[in-house]
Amino acid sequence: EAGVAQSPRYKIIEKRQSVAFWCNPISGHATLYWYQQILGQGPKLLIQFQNNGVVDDSQLPKDRFSAERLKGVDSTLKIQPAKLEDSAVYLCASSSRVGGFFAGELFFGEGSRLTVL
Amino acid sequence: DAKTTQPTSMDCAEGRAANLPCNHSTISGNEYVYWYRQIHSQGPQYIIHGLKNNETNEMASLIITEDRKSSTLILPHATLRDTAVYYCIVSPYTGNQFYFGTGTSLTVIP
Repeated sequence: EAGVAQSPRYKIIEKRQSVAFWCNPISGHATLYWYQQILGQGPKLLIQFQNNGVVDDSQLPKDRFSAERLKGVDSTLKIQPAKLEDSAVYLCASSSRVGGFFAGELFFGEGSRLTVL
Repeated sequence: DAKTTQPTSMDCAEGRAANLPCNHSTISGNEYVYWYRQIHSQGPQYIIHGLKNNETNEMASLIITEDRKSSTLILPHATLRDTAVYYCIVSPYTGNQFYFGTGTSLTVIP
């Protein structure tokens, strides 16, 4: 079974520019998560989707970050405009549900590494 | 915010058991304890999870105290490939609020 796909793997931009990251979860996984991981820190949850609805975006900096999952499958995370402190790895994860309940495991992609100069 | 407290770092001799503690004193009745690990430059990987009973799989064992306020992940025979950051996460059965903390950096020493 194919894993979680993310692109691009690496991106270098200057501050105030915009960037977008794409994630395709494992087929059939209804729940999709975006995390930000700054060097030396644990992953920080930015947003969680259940199908195409937002479950949790309490830690998403909404003045510059946006995310969508229009058809309940793949998702895009955008940063506009980028700041130096946005330099991080952006991780996408997905999980399945069994009988309507969380199956217990998040599957992570390899991440997209962003450097803001 | 993460609801768990873990030591920043630990060392373990290769071939010995690695015991990684986690405190989650504010855990609620519907919250599970999950353990993940992250090897350098990779995404986190699921290890094990449990509610109140001890759990074991091919990777590790999870011991949860009777009051559920703390748990220990046990890697029975640590190898060099177990060197990683280990995260203890408390999350409800819905899979929501899946917040990582800072984790424990485990170094397995030859």
